[in-house]
Order: sequence, then C-alpha cells, then structure tokens
Amino acid sequence: DGGITQSPKYLFRKEGQNVTLSCEQNLNHDAMYWYRQDPGQGLRLIYYSQIVNDFQKGDIAEGYSVSREKKESFPLTVTSAQKNPTAFYLCASAVPTSGAGELFFGEGSRLTVL
Amino acid sequence: AQKITQTQPGMFVQEKEAVTLDCTYDTSDPSYGLFWYKQPSSGEMIFLIYQGSYDQQNATEGRYSLNFQKARKSANLVISASQLGDSAMYFCAMRESYSSASKIIFGSGTRLSIRP
Repeated sequence: DGGITQSPKYLFRKEGQNVTLSCEQNLNHDAMYWYRQDPGQGLRLIYYSQIVNDFQKGDIAEGYSVSREKKESFPLTVTSAQKNPTAFYLCASAVPTSGAGELFFGEGSRLTVL
Repeated sequence: AQKITQTQPGMFVQEKEAVTLDCTYDTSDPSYGLFWYKQPSSGEMIFLIYQGSYDQQNATEGRYSLNFQKARKSANLVISASQLGDSAMYFCAMRESYSSASKIIFGSGTRLSIRP
C-alpha cells in the first residue's frame, strides 16, 4: 500500500548526539514536510521541500538539517545544536496537484533526550 | 506573514450535539487553502476537510462542514451530531498559494471532549 513510513517510532539519545529520523514515501508526491509537536501543542514547521535537491526553512529550523537527494526520501537530522529536541516529529507529503493538496502524514517519531 | 489562530484550547460537548471549532487566519496572499485535521490520542493525523480561498460554497464532508467567512478571515469547523469517537485534538491549517508544494502552517489546536 502507498503511504509514508517514518522510522524509528521511538528514539532515545544522549545530550550532545546527533540523530537522524527517516521519512520515506511511495506516493509520488513532490512536496515533503517535517513538523515538530510538543505535548498538548500544535505542529510547528521545521523544513519543507518542493522538489529534489531543494528545501526551505520553516519556522523552527535552527538545530535541524535535512536533505532531499531522492524524491521518496526526506531525512531529518536533529543536531546537538537543538537546545530542546525532546518532541514528537511528524513527516508529511503533499499531493502533486493544485487545489486541495492535503498533507499525508506518517505515524511519527518520538524522540527523547536523556 | 501567515498566521493561524485557534482560541479554544479545550471544549466539552454532549454527545449528539453540534460543535463549532474556531479558526482565524492571516495572510496577504489572495490564493490560499484552509484545512482541518483530527489527531486522536494515537497521534495519527487525519485529514477532514478543505476550503480554497476562491471556492464559492462552504465545504462539506459528511458530518463536517467548514463555515468560511472570507471577509472575517475565519474558517470554523462545524461537526454535526457529535459522537464519542470525535474526542480528539483538532487543528486548523493554511497553505499560502494554490501550489501543493508551498508552506503549510498549523494552529495550536483545540482538544474536543465528547461527554456520553
């Protein structure tokens, strides 16, 4: 079935370590997004990508990095520069047509810094 | 700059009653899209309904309808005949321009609890 796969589902890391969250989609969507969600709060945009080899910063990009070498993949690296990385991370992609173009989401990755 | 505001952190509604979740937005782009998503306690994000800025009629999807008031920049979600399974977080979101590849931002959400 088509969809978005995020891995790992749960991740623990020590302070000072970089960690990479995987996001893969087989929906043939051009656009992909990363959001951060803190408990009881909304989704904040970290990075988004419209096409391969191109991406834009969202509202909270500091301490994060991404790459888009393939259409299907949009990994997110949480670097040691991110001051408070413990959060729920959601990856999404958008339908490659104008109009609704709603986001399709993965199941999320929950990162805990020990 | 884009902005989405949801002013109701939490709401309690009796089962079978209708409920309105508020959403206001701000954008300088004449072409934009508005979405509502539901997030149950499991964490998944479920797309509910979409309204384009040039759509003449309010969007409807089953028990969900979007009360779109362009001049007031509001896009309230109306759920008719609420059910226990409607208990969840609800997020309003906006995409500037009609490009599916543009920036999409979310509001802070409303936690809806349905009482039996």
